[in-house]
Amino acid sequence: DAGITQSPRHKVTETGTPVTLRCHQTENHRYMYWYRQDPGHGLRLIHYSYGVKDTDKGEVSDGYSVSRSKTEDFLLTLESATSSQTSVYFCAISDSTSGGGETQYFGPGTRLLVL
Amino acid sequence: DQQVKQNSPSLSVQEGRISILNCDYTNSMFDYFLWYKKYPAEGPTFLISISSIKDKNEDGRFTVFLNKSAKHLSLHIVPSQPGDSAVYFCAAHRAQKLVFGQGTRLTINP
Repeated sequence: DAGITQSPRHKVTETGTPVTLRCHQTENHRYMYWYRQDPGHGLRLIHYSYGVKDTDKGEVSDGYSVSRSKTEDFLLTLESATSSQTSVYFCAISDSTSGGGETQYFGPGTRLLVL
Repeated sequence: DQQVKQNSPSLSVQEGRISILNCDYTNSMFDYFLWYKKYPAEGPTFLISISSIKDKNEDGRFTVFLNKSAKHLSLHIVPSQPGDSAVYFCAAHRAQKLVFGQGTRLTINP
């Protein structure tokens, strides 16, 4: 299994509070991703990173920001959490040097409840 | 617009028989297609992939078929086992990003 951890694994917060989720990898992979999983939608890309300090938006980026100051860490921040951000969040990594770099490996997920 | 679609939310198959999961896509620029398996409370795990220049890829009990003219791919699991019960996601790759379908819940009955 790829060395990916996510913290916290579960969080309950209130509307309007800031929340930061952390993804940590030990594989030294260049690419890191944040997804959210919701019923009926599969996994949707929030933001991704293609290197330290290099990030870009995904399909559902509104209300989220990210930072990557080290290869191994990718942070997802909800500046002011809303109930619509209640979801399961997954981090993924990929290595552009392997084949087409198409395979992504996922962390265990963070379940976030915004009350 | 949904670029990758899995039109069957659920599928029930008897143990030992073949499971066939389907996926349709709209963007002809996708260069790889992947299948992931997900158990409850765990992250998705990679199962098998296929390049857009191939039409079949096999790995043990799992075979993925790609029909580019129909923009359709399928995952065959033979024989199906109880441990195969999970949610299966198809995904399409382009420019270091994946687009996922909605998922199909596969249940293998004894």
